[in-house]
Amino acid sequence: AQRVTQPEKLLSVFKGAPVELKCNYSYSGSPELFWYVQYSRQRLQLLLRHISRESIKGFTADLNKGETSFHLKKPFAQEEDSAMYYCALKRSASKIIFGSGTRLSIRP
Amino acid sequence: NAGVTQTPKFQVLKTGQSMTLQCAQDMNHEYMSWYRQDPGMGLRLIHYSVGAGITDQGEVPNGYNVSRSTTEDFPLRLLSAAPSQTSVYFCASSFSAGANVLTFGAGSRLTVL
Repeated sequence: AQRVTQPEKLLSVFKGAPVELKCNYSYSGSPELFWYVQYSRQRLQLLLRHISRESIKGFTADLNKGETSFHLKKPFAQEEDSAMYYCALKRSASKIIFGSGTRLSIRP
Repeated sequence: NAGVTQTPKFQVLKTGQSMTLQCAQDMNHEYMSWYRQDPGMGLRLIHYSVGAGITDQGEVPNGYNVSRSTTEDFPLRLLSAAPSQTSVYFCASSFSAGANVLTFGAGSRLTVL
């Protein structure tokens, strides 16, 4: 079955430390993957998508088809990165499915 | 340009009551969808629409109805609310008929007693 797995419900790191939010997927074909973020009292919003291959707010994510992963990384965490992060997979032309989310907490 | 507007923001229902969650977008987006967000389960797709007059089921459609009579509006109806439908509901839209980058509403928190 096509699914997205985020194994960590909560990730807590110190400010300035590297961050890696894990995302694994199962999909037959060429996947289209996204990271969405929900900051406190804000709307869920797109952070980045793999086809853009860009860095947003210092975050990057590389699609690894061999490991079926799309982990989100940032070399130096900032307090404003604290938020809920969702990995998402475009399952078909009309369906995007989400993982269960990881809450990232940055300690000062 | 308001984006995606959801009403109401909060609602409390009794088991068996019906209600409609409203969703409107002013971006001329073809695609609209409803998700529910539950702790530990992320966002799950309830129903979606690729254009006016066209709707289809997502992952968890049971207990919910939708219609899309205009491009702008995509209401979600609960015909007979159950406690299992206590959740936060998000409406999301995308410019093209195929789901791509989603623009989300602020969410509607529903409690069913």
